[in-house]
Amino acid sequence: GAVVSQHPSWVICKSGTSVKIECRSLDFQATTMFWYRQFPKQSLMLMATSNEGSKATYEQGVEKDKFLINHASLTLSTLTVTSAHPEDSSFYICSATLPGAGNQPQHFGDGTRLSIL
Amino acid sequence: AQSVTQLDSHVSVSEGTPVLLRCNYSSSYSPSLFWYVQHPNKGLQLLLKYTSAATLVKGINGFEAEFKKSETSFHLTKPSAHMSDAAEYFCVVSTPGGYNKLIFGAGTRLAVHP
Repeated sequence: GAVVSQHPSWVICKSGTSVKIECRSLDFQATTMFWYRQFPKQSLMLMATSNEGSKATYEQGVEKDKFLINHASLTLSTLTVTSAHPEDSSFYICSATLPGAGNQPQHFGDGTRLSIL
Repeated sequence: AQSVTQLDSHVSVSEGTPVLLRCNYSSSYSPSLFWYVQHPNKGLQLLLKYTSAATLVKGINGFEAEFKKSETSFHLTKPSAHMSDAAEYFCVVSTPGGYNKLIFGAGTRLAVHP
């Protein structure tokens, strides 16, 4: 149980295009999902907390207009990288928690490798 | 404030020998602690979690960790390493509050040699 699916797993696109990444909780409802960014050989950096039906909460230093997050249903959150540039190339990972007590572990998707040419 | 320090960036062991990955934490509250593993180009898989129950926590794939409040440590161990254990390991602390935000350690890369 508690499977999180992320799509696509790999995307290559030209500079200036927008890219959408989907994060789905397959067998549970996730009122809260999280988006992380991971640079090579580094740890995960939390970008934003996504709550179903409300605006995402962004971490300090993360551009809201650059990284658009939508959490329109209890099983789907999307991250759109707008007007992507080579410096946006990274590994993006989403996670979700089961509803209930605050000490629930987060369950992670397999990540999306984004390469901007 | 919460923080996590993984004391080794790289650990190398031979197959069949014990594994020790060290983690120290800092927390103003009674913490929830986790160990996650990440294989190349993959997301993170939960190995085990500590949430103020038993101090010795058993996880998947033969891993376990012991919560030691006096030492503020949560080291990950395994009696006998397998080649498939080679991966990146993250020690993580959960912040209190409703949204369960995680704070990650820098990670420890485990190499397993034949």
